[in-house]
Amino acid sequence: DQQVKQNSPSLSVQEGRISILNCDYTNSMFDYFLWYKKYPAEGPTFLISISSIKDKNEDGRFTVFLNKSAKHLSLHIVPSQPGDSAVYFCAARDRNSGNTPLVFGKGTRLSVIA
Amino acid sequence: EAGVTQFPSHSVIEKGQTVTLRCDPISGHDNLYWYRRVMGKEIKFLLHFVKESKQDESGMPNNRFLAERTGGTYSTLKVQPAELEDSGVYFCASSQTQQGKVNSPLHFGNGTRLTVT
Repeated sequence: DQQVKQNSPSLSVQEGRISILNCDYTNSMFDYFLWYKKYPAEGPTFLISISSIKDKNEDGRFTVFLNKSAKHLSLHIVPSQPGDSAVYFCAARDRNSGNTPLVFGKGTRLSVIA
Repeated sequence: EAGVTQFPSHSVIEKGQTVTLRCDPISGHDNLYWYRRVMGKEIKFLLHFVKESKQDESGMPNNRFLAERTGGTYSTLKVQPAELEDSGVYFCASSQTQQGKVNSPLHFGNGTRLTVT
């Protein structure tokens, strides 16, 4: 049973517009959430994170929003650039320990069209 | 700073054969993780080392998989004998244990793509 769900396998967006990637989770013990970006033939690289005590975290063009009551988070990229084309993974960790394994979703493939 | 390195990048073996994957974490990172991604699916946790000790091996699929981290530096993951369903990309990741900080991002290697035919 998947605890982190990314229900959209792919998303296409025009360059310069906003990309919104969604993620839902089922485990109420999760209290730290991360987004990773993955290019082909490379490992995932950390992009941005958010703790459950916040509802928004912003880093340049990337903003993550957390809605704890809905168990939902989203990643906004604005403006989208062709170099943002990659697979984006949502991940979560529970509150028991800082180094417990991350639980990942299946990923969403973002294509930014020039 | 050198990143997490994995070897080999690709491996194609026949069912029943043995394969050993190697991971060199970032120097000084006590935490080392193995993950696997079967095509189109989630990146699934296999195992977590803290230094040379297995902290959590709840994700290991079965006893055909053996992971070691002698000396607390590099790690190996052996699959013996390999089965068709073992095909996928095996990622290694490492992180520091930071005093007073509960969350440190994982740094991933580029993975080993294993194909069992």
